[in-house]
Amino acid sequence: AQKVTQAQTEISVVEKEDVTLDCVYETRDTTYYLFWYKQPPSGELVFLIRRNSFDEQNEISGRYSWNFQKSTSSFNFTITASQVVDSAVYFCALSEAGANSKLTFGKGITLSVRP
Amino acid sequence: EAGVTQFPSHSVIEKGQTVTLRCDPISGHDNLYWYRRVMGKEIKFLLHFVKESKQDESGMPNNRFLAERTGGTYSTLKVQPAELEDSGVYFCASSHRSSRVLNTEAFFGQGTRLTVV
Repeated sequence: AQKVTQAQTEISVVEKEDVTLDCVYETRDTTYYLFWYKQPPSGELVFLIRRNSFDEQNEISGRYSWNFQKSTSSFNFTITASQVVDSAVYFCALSEAGANSKLTFGKGITLSVRP
Repeated sequence: EAGVTQFPSHSVIEKGQTVTLRCDPISGHDNLYWYRRVMGKEIKFLLHFVKESKQDESGMPNNRFLAERTGGTYSTLKVQPAELEDSGVYFCASSHRSSRVLNTEAFFGQGTRLTVV
C-alpha cells in the first residue's frame, strides 16, 4: 500500500527566512510519481510540481526547490526567502504510474509566514 | 480557460437529509476524480471516472454515496442520507487521459465544505 507522511503539521517563520517542508513516502511500485500541491486560503489545490521516480535531479523554480532522494524515500520542498503570500497548506502526494493515477496524500503542512 | 468548478462552496445540512455536490471539470478532461478531506486528516480518494464510466470507486465509504457523470461532462456526488461523519471538504479534480507511462497532473477545484449537524 502507498503512504505519504508529512511529519510537520504547522510551521511558522518570519518573512525572508528559508523553510523546508518534509515529505516521506512508501510504495512497492518501481514507477511512481510525486507531487506537491499548495492550498491557499481560497481553498483550491494548486499544482506545484510532479516528479517521476526515474528522475532524481533536484529542481528549482524561482524561490521554490525540491530535493528528491530515493535512498531515503523523501521528496522535500524548500522555499527560499519566504513571503507572506507563501502562507498556505502544502500537501505532498504520490501516485503509481498507469491509467488510474489517483493520488495518495499526506496530511498537509500549514505554513504561516509572518511579516 | 475555466478551471475545475465546484458547487456549492459550502453546505450545511441536518443529519438524515440529502445533499448533492456538483463538479464541472476542465473542458476536454476525460479523467474526473472525487476526493474528501475530513478535518485534520489526509485528503482521501473516493472515485475516478474516465468519461462517463467509473474506473475505480474503491474509496467510496458506503452505499449512501452515489456518484454520476452524465455524458462524460459534469459530475454529481450525492450523499443520502447524510451522517455526521460525512462532514468534510469534498474536492473534485480533472486531468487529461494519461498513457501507461506518463501521468498528467490533476487540476483541483476549490472544494465543497459539507457540514452535517
